[in-house]
Amino acid sequence: QVHLVESGGALVKPGGSLRLSCAASGFSFNDYYMTWIRQAPGKGLEWLSVISSGSTYIDYADSVKGRFTVSRDNAKNSLFLQMNSLRAEDTAVYYCARGVYPSDYWGRGTLVTVSS
Amino acid sequence: EIVLTQSPGTLSLSPGERATLSCRASQSLASNYLAWYQQKPGQAPRLLMYDAFNGATGTPTRFSASGSGTDFTLTISSLEPEDFAVYYCHQYDTSPLTFGGGTKVEV
Repeated sequence: QVHLVESGGALVKPGGSLRLSCAASGFSFNDYYMTWIRQAPGKGLEWLSVISSGSTYIDYADSVKGRFTVSRDNAKNSLFLQMNSLRAEDTAVYYCARGVYPSDYWGRGTLVTVSS
Repeated sequence: EIVLTQSPGTLSLSPGERATLSCRASQSLASNYLAWYQQKPGQAPRLLMYDAFNGATGTPTRFSASGSGTDFTLTISSLEPEDFAVYYCHQYDTSPLTFGGGTKVEV
Protein backbone atom coordinates (compact mmCIF):
# COMPACT_ATOMS: atom_id res chain seq x y z
CA GLN A 1 0.00 0.00 0.00
CA VAL A 2 0.99 3.66 -0.28
CA HIS A 3 3.52 4.63 2.35
CA LEU A 4 5.10 8.04 2.88
CA VAL A 5 7.65 8.67 5.61
CA GLU A 6 9.00 12.12 6.35
CA SER A 7 12.29 12.69 8.13
CA GLY A 8 14.72 15.45 8.92
CA GLY A 9 12.70 17.47 11.37
CA ALA A 10 14.67 19.03 14.22
CA LEU A 11 15.15 21.99 16.53
CA VAL A 12 16.89 24.77 14.63
CA LYS A 13 17.74 28.37 15.45
CA PRO A 14 16.13 31.30 13.60
CA GLY A 15 17.97 31.96 10.39
CA GLY A 16 19.09 28.35 10.15
CA SER A 17 18.51 25.73 7.49
CA LEU A 18 17.05 22.25 7.38
CA ARG A 19 16.43 19.65 4.69
CA LEU A 20 13.38 17.43 4.96
CA SER A 21 13.04 14.15 3.13
CA CYS A 22 10.05 12.02 2.24
CA ALA A 23 10.52 8.38 1.33
CA ALA A 24 7.75 6.96 -0.83
CA SER A 25 6.77 3.35 -1.44
CA GLY A 26 3.81 1.29 -2.59
CA PHE A 27 3.12 3.24 -5.77
CA SER A 28 4.84 4.42 -8.93
CA PHE A 29 6.47 7.54 -7.49
CA ASN A 30 7.58 8.94 -10.83
CA ASP A 31 3.96 9.07 -12.04
CA TYR A 32 2.75 11.48 -9.37
CA TYR A 33 2.95 15.13 -8.46
CA MET A 34 4.00 15.51 -4.84
CA THR A 35 3.04 18.14 -2.29
CA TRP A 36 4.32 19.59 0.98
CA ILE A 37 1.85 20.85 3.58
CA ARG A 38 2.48 22.00 7.14
CA GLN A 39 0.51 22.44 10.34
CA ALA A 40 1.62 24.74 13.13
CA PRO A 41 0.95 23.44 16.64
CA GLY A 42 -2.78 23.57 17.35
CA LYS A 43 -3.48 25.29 14.04
CA GLY A 44 -4.88 24.45 10.62
CA LEU A 45 -3.28 23.20 7.45
CA GLU A 46 -1.13 25.29 5.12
CA TRP A 47 -0.19 24.22 1.60
CA LEU A 48 3.47 24.93 0.88
CA SER A 49 4.64 23.52 -2.41
CA VAL A 50 3.98 21.17 -5.31
CA ILE A 51 6.37 19.51 -7.75
CA SER A 52 5.35 17.69 -10.90
CA SER A 53 6.39 14.14 -11.67
CA GLY A 54 9.27 15.25 -13.88
CA SER A 55 10.12 18.34 -11.82
CA THR A 56 9.14 20.61 -14.71
CA TYR A 57 6.39 22.36 -12.74
CA ILE A 58 7.05 23.74 -9.25
CA ASP A 59 4.97 26.14 -7.21
CA TYR A 60 5.21 27.64 -3.73
CA ALA A 61 3.07 29.47 -1.25
CA ASP A 62 4.07 33.11 -0.87
CA SER A 63 4.99 32.47 2.78
CA VAL A 64 7.93 30.26 1.75
CA LYS A 65 8.78 31.46 -1.75
CA GLY A 66 12.47 32.34 -2.01
CA ARG A 67 13.31 30.49 1.21
CA PHE A 68 12.17 26.91 0.55
CA THR A 69 13.10 24.71 -2.41
CA VAL A 70 11.33 21.50 -3.34
CA SER A 71 13.04 18.76 -5.32
CA ARG A 72 12.74 15.04 -5.96
CA ASP A 73 14.81 12.04 -6.95
CA ASN A 74 12.62 9.62 -8.86
CA ALA A 75 15.37 6.99 -8.95
CA LYS A 76 15.28 6.91 -5.15
CA ASN A 77 11.51 7.47 -4.72
CA SER A 78 12.29 10.50 -2.61
CA LEU A 79 10.96 14.01 -2.17
CA PHE A 80 12.87 16.84 -0.50
CA LEU A 81 12.24 20.26 0.99
CA GLN A 82 15.25 22.50 1.55
CA MET A 83 14.32 25.17 4.07
CA ASN A 84 16.54 28.22 4.52
CA SER A 85 16.25 31.42 6.56
CA LEU A 86 13.94 29.68 8.99
CA ARG A 87 11.69 31.77 11.23
CA ALA A 88 9.79 31.05 14.42
CA GLU A 89 6.57 30.99 12.41
CA ASP A 90 7.91 28.04 10.38
CA THR A 91 7.51 25.86 13.47
CA ALA A 92 5.13 23.11 12.41
CA VAL A 93 4.63 19.49 11.51
CA TYR A 94 5.59 19.09 7.87
CA TYR A 95 3.70 16.54 5.79
CA CYS A 96 4.47 15.19 2.35
CA ALA A 97 1.50 14.01 0.33
CA ARG A 98 0.89 12.17 -2.92
CA GLY A 99 -0.75 14.08 -5.70
CA VAL A 100 -2.23 17.54 -5.78
CA TYR A 101 -5.67 17.22 -7.34
CA PRO A 102 -6.18 16.53 -4.49
CA SER A 103 -3.47 15.03 -2.27
CA ASP A 104 -4.82 11.60 -1.43
CA TYR A 105 -2.22 9.97 0.83
CA TRP A 106 -0.20 11.76 3.48
CA GLY A 107 2.75 10.79 5.60
CA ARG A 108 2.66 11.08 9.38
CA GLY A 109 4.76 14.23 9.33
CA THR A 110 8.01 15.46 10.84
CA LEU A 111 8.26 18.23 13.42
CA VAL A 112 10.33 21.32 12.75
CA THR A 113 10.88 23.67 15.68
CA VAL A 114 12.51 27.04 15.09
CA SER A 115 13.62 28.57 18.34
CA SER A 116 16.68 30.14 19.91
CA GLU B 1 -5.78 33.79 -2.97
CA ILE B 2 -9.03 31.95 -2.41
CA VAL B 3 -10.07 32.08 1.23
CA LEU B 4 -12.15 29.18 2.51
CA THR B 5 -14.40 29.91 5.48
CA GLN B 6 -15.72 26.92 7.39
CA SER B 7 -18.70 27.04 9.70
CA PRO B 8 -19.42 26.37 12.41
CA GLY B 9 -16.06 26.35 14.13
CA THR B 10 -17.28 23.68 16.51
CA LEU B 11 -20.25 21.35 16.21
CA SER B 12 -21.42 19.65 19.39
CA LEU B 13 -23.46 16.55 18.61
CA SER B 14 -24.14 13.05 19.85
CA PRO B 15 -23.61 9.68 18.16
CA GLY B 16 -26.45 8.95 15.77
CA GLU B 17 -27.10 12.60 14.99
CA ARG B 18 -26.67 14.26 11.62
CA ALA B 19 -23.77 16.65 11.06
CA THR B 20 -23.77 19.38 8.43
CA LEU B 21 -20.52 21.26 7.81
CA SER B 22 -20.21 24.28 5.56
CA CYS B 23 -17.33 25.64 3.48
CA ARG B 24 -17.63 28.93 1.63
CA ALA B 25 -15.07 30.13 -0.90
CA SER B 26 -14.20 33.78 -1.43
CA GLN B 27 -14.44 33.25 -5.17
CA SER B 28 -16.01 30.64 -7.35
CA LEU B 29 -14.18 27.35 -7.89
CA ALA B 30 -14.49 27.02 -11.65
CA SER B 31 -13.85 23.28 -11.69
CA ASN B 32 -15.40 22.55 -8.28
CA TYR B 33 -12.03 21.26 -7.13
CA LEU B 34 -12.98 21.04 -3.48
CA ALA B 35 -11.98 18.26 -1.10
CA TRP B 36 -12.78 17.36 2.49
CA TYR B 37 -10.29 15.88 4.95
CA GLN B 38 -10.77 14.36 8.39
CA GLN B 39 -8.06 14.71 11.01
CA LYS B 40 -7.90 13.01 14.38
CA PRO B 41 -5.46 14.06 17.14
CA GLY B 42 -1.89 13.05 16.41
CA GLN B 43 -2.75 11.77 12.94
CA ALA B 44 -2.30 13.02 9.41
CA PRO B 45 -5.38 14.23 7.56
CA ARG B 46 -7.33 11.59 5.69
CA LEU B 47 -9.00 12.38 2.35
CA LEU B 48 -12.76 11.82 2.55
CA MET B 49 -14.25 13.53 -0.51
CA TYR B 50 -12.91 15.14 -3.66
CA ASP B 51 -14.16 17.09 -6.70
CA ALA B 52 -16.92 18.46 -4.48
CA PHE B 53 -18.97 15.30 -4.15
CA ASN B 54 -16.94 12.16 -4.92
CA GLY B 55 -16.07 9.78 -2.12
CA ALA B 56 -12.44 8.76 -1.74
CA THR B 57 -11.51 5.11 -1.49
CA GLY B 58 -12.70 3.70 1.81
CA THR B 59 -14.95 6.60 2.76
CA PRO B 60 -18.05 5.26 4.53
CA THR B 61 -21.36 5.88 2.81
CA ARG B 62 -22.66 7.94 5.74
CA PHE B 63 -20.40 10.72 4.42
CA SER B 64 -21.70 12.78 1.52
CA ALA B 65 -20.74 16.10 0.01
CA SER B 66 -22.35 18.60 -2.27
CA GLY B 67 -22.06 22.10 -3.60
CA SER B 68 -20.64 24.12 -6.41
CA GLY B 69 -19.23 27.56 -7.09
CA THR B 70 -18.66 29.11 -3.68
CA ASP B 71 -20.80 27.02 -1.32
CA PHE B 72 -19.99 23.47 -0.34
CA THR B 73 -21.32 21.09 2.32
CA LEU B 74 -20.14 17.91 3.99
CA THR B 75 -22.85 15.83 5.63
CA ILE B 76 -22.45 12.92 8.00
CA SER B 77 -25.83 11.22 8.06
CA SER B 78 -25.49 9.45 11.42
CA LEU B 79 -22.43 10.10 13.54
CA GLU B 80 -20.37 7.13 14.63
CA PRO B 81 -17.98 7.43 17.61
CA GLU B 82 -14.99 7.42 15.25
CA ASP B 83 -16.34 10.45 13.35
CA PHE B 84 -15.58 12.92 16.13
CA ALA B 85 -12.64 14.81 14.66
CA VAL B 86 -11.67 17.99 12.84
CA TYR B 87 -12.76 18.41 9.24
CA TYR B 88 -11.01 20.64 6.72
CA CYS B 89 -12.14 21.73 3.29
CA HIS B 90 -9.44 22.31 0.68
CA GLN B 91 -9.51 23.95 -2.74
CA TYR B 92 -7.11 22.80 -5.42
CA ASP B 93 -8.75 24.85 -8.13
CA THR B 94 -6.44 27.86 -8.10
CA SER B 95 -2.92 28.46 -6.89
CA PRO B 96 -2.08 29.01 -4.14
CA LEU B 97 -3.98 26.01 -2.88
CA THR B 98 -5.74 26.76 0.39
CA PHE B 99 -7.46 25.08 3.30
CA GLY B 100 -10.34 26.18 5.45
CA GLY B 101 -9.80 26.78 9.14
CA GLY B 102 -11.53 23.55 10.12
CA THR B 103 -14.70 22.45 11.90
CA LYS B 104 -14.34 20.41 15.05
CA VAL B 105 -17.09 17.84 15.54
CA GLU B 106 -17.23 17.02 19.24
CA VAL B 107 -19.45 15.09 21.58
